[in-house]
Amino acid sequence: DQQVKQNSPSLSVQEGRISILNCDYTNSMFDYFLWYKKYPAEGPTFLISISSIKDKNEDGRFTVFLNKSAKHLSLHIVPSQPGDSAVYFCAASAGASGGGADGLTFGKGTHLIIQP
Amino acid sequence: KAGVTQTPRYLIKTRGQQVTLSCSPISGHRSVSWYQQTPGQGLQFLFEYFSETQRNKGNFPGRFSGRQFSNSRSEMNVSTLELGDSALYLCASKDRAGVGTQYFGPGTRLTVL
Repeated sequence: DQQVKQNSPSLSVQEGRISILNCDYTNSMFDYFLWYKKYPAEGPTFLISISSIKDKNEDGRFTVFLNKSAKHLSLHIVPSQPGDSAVYFCAASAGASGGGADGLTFGKGTHLIIQP
Repeated sequence: KAGVTQTPRYLIKTRGQQVTLSCSPISGHRSVSWYQQTPGQGLQFLFEYFSETQRNKGNFPGRFSGRQFSNSRSEMNVSTLELGDSALYLCASKDRAGVGTQYFGPGTRLTVL
């Protein structure tokens, strides 16, 4: 059973516009969420994270929103740039409250394509 | 600081063999985790080591094992390789046990023939 779901395998956005990537989770023990970006043949690169005590975290062009009641988070990229084209993974951890279950649970990823 | 390094980057083995993969974490990081990425299952957690002790283990058979050395470097071993073990194996490090951001290496691409 997938505990972290990214329901859109791919997303195409025009350069300069906003990209919104979505992620849903089912495990209420998750309390720390991260977004990673991955290019082919490379390891995931950390983008931004959010703790469950917050509902928004912003870092430059990247903003993550967390809706705990809906068990939903989203990553906003504004404005989208050609270099943003990559696969984006949502990940969750029960590290803070899970007694040490620190492994990340990943979604299957969304392939973001930025069109010129 | 240098990032997480993994060796080798590519490996080809045959069924029944065993393989050892190596990971050097970011300097000062004492936690090392291993993940397997396959097209069908995505990224899955294998295990985590902190201060030479395994803290957590994912849902993988006992053929998958690991260890961590006093300098925080970690190795992962897979014995009796199966075709389904073909995957990208990723190592990630962080500076503490518990919640925190994991930084990934480039991975080792293992192909089992």
